[in-house]
Amino acid sequence: GAVVSQHPSWVICKSGTSVKIECRSLDFQATTMFWYRQFPKQSLMLMATSNEGSKATYEQGVEKDKFLINHASLTLSTLTVTSAHPEDSSFYICSARGIGLYTDTQYFGPGTRLTVL
Amino acid sequence: AQTVTQSQPEMSVQEAETVTLSCTYDTSESDYYLFWYKQPPSRQMILVIRQEAYKQQNATENRFSVNFQKAAKSFSLKISDSQLGDAAMYFCAFCAGYALNFGKGTSLLVTP
Repeated sequence: GAVVSQHPSWVICKSGTSVKIECRSLDFQATTMFWYRQFPKQSLMLMATSNEGSKATYEQGVEKDKFLINHASLTLSTLTVTSAHPEDSSFYICSARGIGLYTDTQYFGPGTRLTVL
Repeated sequence: AQTVTQSQPEMSVQEAETVTLSCTYDTSESDYYLFWYKQPPSRQMILVIRQEAYKQQNATENRFSVNFQKAAKSFSLKISDSQLGDAAMYFCAFCAGYALNFGKGTSLLVTP
C-alpha cells in the first residue's frame, strides 16, 4: 500500500517552455501532497504543500507564479514549471499523506528529472 | 525552528556487519515524529522506519532498529546484517506538524 507515482520520470525541454509534472496516489486518497526539489548530493528542499481543493502554500523563496501547483482531486496533484530556464533543471519529487494511513507519514513518488536546455 | 543534524556524511560497512547512523535534532515541541528514509541510486525515497516521540519503545523493522533518546534529542539508526542492497543515502527527518525537516543525509557504502 501507499504507492505514489510521478509522470514523466524524465523530461528535457527548451528554455522558455512550460513543463507539467503529475503526482498520483495510486491506492489511497491523498489529503495533502508535497513538492520537493533536490539538487545532486543534497537533501530535499520543500517547495510547497497542497491540500485537495485549496490553494497551495509555498515555502519562502519559491516563486508561486513560476511553480504552479494544482491539487484538483484526492489522487492527483500537478506541478507546472512555467517558462522554464536552465536554472530550473533539477530533480523534483512529490510526496503524499492521506486517508487510512499514518497521518504524519509522507510517501514519496519516484521523482522527475527535469533538464532545461 | 527545528533542525536535523546528521554528522556523518559517509559511512562504510562490510556485508553482514552492523552499522549505526547518527541523527540529532533540535525542537521545542513535545509531540512529534521521527523518520529514517533511504534513497538508493534510483532516487526513490523509501520509508525505512517511523518513531512516535511519545512512545518510549524503540521502533524496529526487521534488520532496522532505532535508538531513540528523547532527552538527548537523538535518533540513531542501526542496520544489522548489512546487505549490498542497503547501500544508499539515508535521511533522518523530523515532523511536528505538516512539514518534514530533513537532515543532510549519510551516504552508506556496503562492501562485500
